[in-house]
Parts: sequence; C-alpha cells; structure tokens
Amino acid sequence: QQQVKQSPQSLIVQKGGISIINCAYENTAFDYFPWYQQFPGKGPALLIAIRPDVSEKKEGRFTISFNKSAKQFSLHIMDSQPGDSATYFCAASIGYGGATNKLIFGTGTLLAVQP
Amino acid sequence: GAVVSQHPSWVICKSGTSVKIECRSLDFQATTMFWYRQFPKQSLMLMATSNEGSKATYEQGVEKDKFLINHASLTLSTLTVTSAHPEDSSFYICSAHRPGGGSEAFFGQGTRLTVV
Repeated sequence: QQQVKQSPQSLIVQKGGISIINCAYENTAFDYFPWYQQFPGKGPALLIAIRPDVSEKKEGRFTISFNKSAKQFSLHIMDSQPGDSATYFCAASIGYGGATNKLIFGTGTLLAVQP
Repeated sequence: GAVVSQHPSWVICKSGTSVKIECRSLDFQATTMFWYRQFPKQSLMLMATSNEGSKATYEQGVEKDKFLINHASLTLSTLTVTSAHPEDSSFYICSAHRPGGGSEAFFGQGTRLTVV
C-alpha cells in the first residue's frame, strides 16, 4: 500500500525529444506527488510537484500529468537536453503542508539524453 | 543556494569505528528532519525521522542502536553510524521542510560513507 512503482528503470532519448516517466500508487490517502532530479553524488532536488485536485501541472519544459482514477502520474520532459541526463524519482506523501510528512520514493529512472 | 547542508560530503573510516554526519538547515528552523540511505543505482530508503528535543522515530528494520540520531537544536540533526562495517558503506542523505513552505522537502548534498 505504501509503495510507489516507477517505470521505466532507464530511458534513452535523443536531444529535443520527449522523455516520459510513469509512476503508480495504491494508497489513495497520498495527497502530494513530487518529482525529484538527482545528479550523481548529489542529493535530490525538487523538480515539480502536483496535488490530486488537478490533472496537469506545467513548469517550463516539465509537465506532470495526474490520473486520480487510475492512481497514476507521469513526468514529461519536453525538448530534452543533455543536461537533463540524471536520475528521476517520483514520490508521494500524505498530509500536504505538513513538515513531518514522510516521502515514499519510487525506484528511480536513469535518463540519458543523447546529443 | 542550498538550504540544507550536510557535512562531511564524504568520509572513509575503518571497520569498527563510529562516524558522525551532520545535517543543518541553513535559513530556517526544522523541528523535523529525515535521514535516508541510498545504495548505488537504487532509490532513497527512509531510515528515520529526527525530532527536535525528542527521540527519533526509526523505520522498520533500521537498527536504532547502530544509527544514532540526535536532534539537539532546531537547525542541526546528527546521524552517528556506530561500529561501522563495510556493509554500512552507502550514501546518506538528510532532508527538512521549511516551515510554512508546504510539503517541499529540501535535501542535503549527501554524505558518501566508505567503511574499509
């Protein structure tokens, strides 16, 4: 119930292409769904996040699509660039706005954008 | 700039010794901080929730006597790996939320621990 399943495990995209990473969850109590970007040897950094009351959120080249009925959400990276090459993690938590909310992370997707 | 800072960034220690990792919130007070462990090419696994002024809450399967957590001030939490063994070698990361900042978690840069 507390798991967040993420796919694919790795992804290779050509420069300028669209990168799509998918996540699925079971616990309907989750109310905050962030995506994190992590470069080797660094801590994760928040990329974009969404709450279940909206179906899509866009920030620059990054878009989250959220399907509440299917309990799925995905990250779309438009016009992918070599600098986007990193590991991406989806996550989920309960109790939006609280400072004590534990994040449950997906398994991660290693994205490589080829020039 | 970074809002959560960890120190050291990397450390090598001998088997059987103890290592302390610091996590500081730089421009806000954090009553709660989180400690994660990450093995190569794997996800972040929550180890424990550090609570200022009280005992840490450990996740199932995490040895609290081996991973000592102290949250003595509103800006500092420490993780001490006691009697370290090679299998404790990992990437340790802390995080904290800015008060009033919603659910966004700010992560430290991580600490690479190698036990030889």
